[in-house]
Amino acid sequence: AQSVTQLDSHVSVSEGTPVLLRCNYSSSYSPSLFWYVQHPNKGLQLLLKYTSAATLVKGINGFEAEFKKSETSFHLTKPSAHMSDAAEYFCVVRNDYKLSFGAGTTVTVRA
Amino acid sequence: NAGVMQNPRHLVRRRGQEARLRCSPMKGHSHVYWYRQLPEEGLKFMVYLQKENIIDESGMPKERFSAEFPKEGPSILRIQQVVRGDSAAYFCASSPKVGSIEETQYFGPGTRLLVL
Repeated sequence: AQSVTQLDSHVSVSEGTPVLLRCNYSSSYSPSLFWYVQHPNKGLQLLLKYTSAATLVKGINGFEAEFKKSETSFHLTKPSAHMSDAAEYFCVVRNDYKLSFGAGTTVTVRA
Repeated sequence: NAGVMQNPRHLVRRRGQEARLRCSPMKGHSHVYWYRQLPEEGLKFMVYLQKENIIDESGMPKERFSAEFPKEGPSILRIQQVVRGDSAAYFCASSPKVGSIEETQYFGPGTRLLVL
């Protein structure tokens, strides 16, 4: 089964600086990959998804992710963090109809 | 188009009681998935249902847990004789179809179950 590993459990950035959340995947074929965000005590919101089209995927709220097959990575980035970006972020891979979630990365944004 | 609806949002039960969690999928979606999020963890797949059918319940505990998605009405996740270890956030997701490369699961706000 395919899986994902989020390399950082916690990332702290200053407002206005770049954000990088790292995710590696394990798959024997081209995977479908997603990033979801979860704000405190809220549901999950889809940020973006990769489904074997363009390797650079643009999502909502200024986020984007790049699929790199040679590195088996799908890192999430944003050029300039905003206070509202403080949340938990999940890298997700789809196995048929099941979604397999990484352990999550908590992002805090310092003023 | 309303999103995935879940109720209640918060549920408190004492050990040994029953918990019923409801999920109404997005309009036009006939596939429902339940996931559980334990504290400090990612979500784990529990069960996948279509109308009147359980397709895959491999992630659901064999005892005390059951799920249904009747022809009419919401999907129900039922936990009998709850224990403290059942305390978690339970999320429902829905999708319009499976097998499509474009298929996306849309999540509800979750039900946070606390067992005292």
